[in-house]
Amino acid sequence: RKEVEQDPGPFNVPEGATVAFNCTYSNSASQSFFWYRQDCRKEPKLLMSVYSSGNEDGRFTAQLNRASQYISLLIRDSKLSDSATYLCVVSLIYNQGGKLIFGQGTELSVKP
Amino acid sequence: NAGVTQTPKFRILKIGQSMTLQCTQDMNHNYMYWYRQDPGMGLKLIYYSVGAGITDKGEVPNGYNVSRSTTEDFPLRLELAAPSQTSVYFCASITTSGSGELFFGEGSRLTVL
Repeated sequence: RKEVEQDPGPFNVPEGATVAFNCTYSNSASQSFFWYRQDCRKEPKLLMSVYSSGNEDGRFTAQLNRASQYISLLIRDSKLSDSATYLCVVSLIYNQGGKLIFGQGTELSVKP
Repeated sequence: NAGVTQTPKFRILKIGQSMTLQCTQDMNHNYMYWYRQDPGMGLKLIYYSVGAGITDKGEVPNGYNVSRSTTEDFPLRLELAAPSQTSVYFCASITTSGSGELFFGEGSRLTVL
């Protein structure tokens, strides 16, 4: 089993749609969780951290389910500019790095 | 601040050649990482370091070596290049206090022929 596994893509959605990505992790001791965005094989950029209580940043909502060992990312009112690959990242150490493992990424394409 | 700087940005190697990818950060970050990304795939952790003098293997360390003699530098060495090492390599660093955000270099595109 892979340490971090994401929904296989690509996701093709129209502008304005709501889209959700899921990511599962195998190590129950994992402490830190993040969503990164990567454009056209450029370097990944942090989209948002994922907190135990769930958190929201504008149109983006992240959730963590420790019991089922998955995290999710919800994007509401999709924009053309949201087209990118979304990567989930899991670490064993809280906010302090350690072994940071990436999922394989889920590609999103938002169409007019 | 320059952030994380990787060199070279592009390189073509012949099978069996050796080379070093350089990575420098000027943010005084303790943790540094090397990842590789193959086409259509996510990032795979090669090696990481929690501080000067300390390195540890990641998911795919075979064929690579690293060293961390200073806080700033974390070079990645390929000893005997193979076509399977054709990839984009990203160096990243993180601070032990803060949001946990990884800061990446712009990547090094390596082709082994």
